[in-house]
Amino acid sequence: EAQVTQNPRYLITVTGKKLTVTCSQNMNHEYMSWYRQDPGLGLRQIYYSMNVEVTDKGDVPEGYKVSRKEKRNFPLILESPSPNQTSLYFCASSYRDRDSPLHFGNGTRLTVT
Amino acid sequence: GIQVEQSPPDLILQEGANSTLRCNFSDSVNNLQWFHQNPWGQLINLFYIPSGTKQNGRLSATTVATERYSLLYISSSQTTDSGVYFCAVSSTDSWGKLQFGAGTQVVVTP
Repeated sequence: EAQVTQNPRYLITVTGKKLTVTCSQNMNHEYMSWYRQDPGLGLRQIYYSMNVEVTDKGDVPEGYKVSRKEKRNFPLILESPSPNQTSLYFCASSYRDRDSPLHFGNGTRLTVT
Repeated sequence: GIQVEQSPPDLILQEGANSTLRCNFSDSVNNLQWFHQNPWGQLINLFYIPSGTKQNGRLSATTVATERYSLLYISSSQTTDSGVYFCAVSSTDSWGKLQFGAGTQVVVTP
């Protein structure tokens, strides 16, 4: 089944403890991206990647890192999480060609205390 | 960056009614998509439609790129249509950098 898989679904952590949220897709998509969703602020793009080893900042990249060493994986790294990074996070992927719909993972709810 | 405005912010419909959701954007786009976020939080792609008209069952969408707006039509609404509808766009010089609108919350009552 074609899908975007995020792990974990829920994560509670403490300020300053490094964490990684994994994202994997099995559709051979070139394009992958990360978003955070907060009440009243909608969905905001954190980082995106047009292909392996190519990443770019979205609207809210501060405090996050990404890497794209393989086509199928696009992990989101929080080196020193803070409470303002408590949010619902989504990973998504698509082909890079035009006319390619974006497929989302099921989300990761992160709480930083 | 590109600005995206969706209207109305909220919509309450009786089952069977039709509705139109609107997405206005401030610059030329080469990527425009509509999504439905269901009450369980899943985001489902409805249309990839930077221009023209598409239909999928009871849903259809039209984008008039020259006038910088897109419309999503829901016909014969069902309770399963409840949720939040988002449009997302990126400008012609930055296909991968997506900007989401604030969404339209739709509630369909039996």
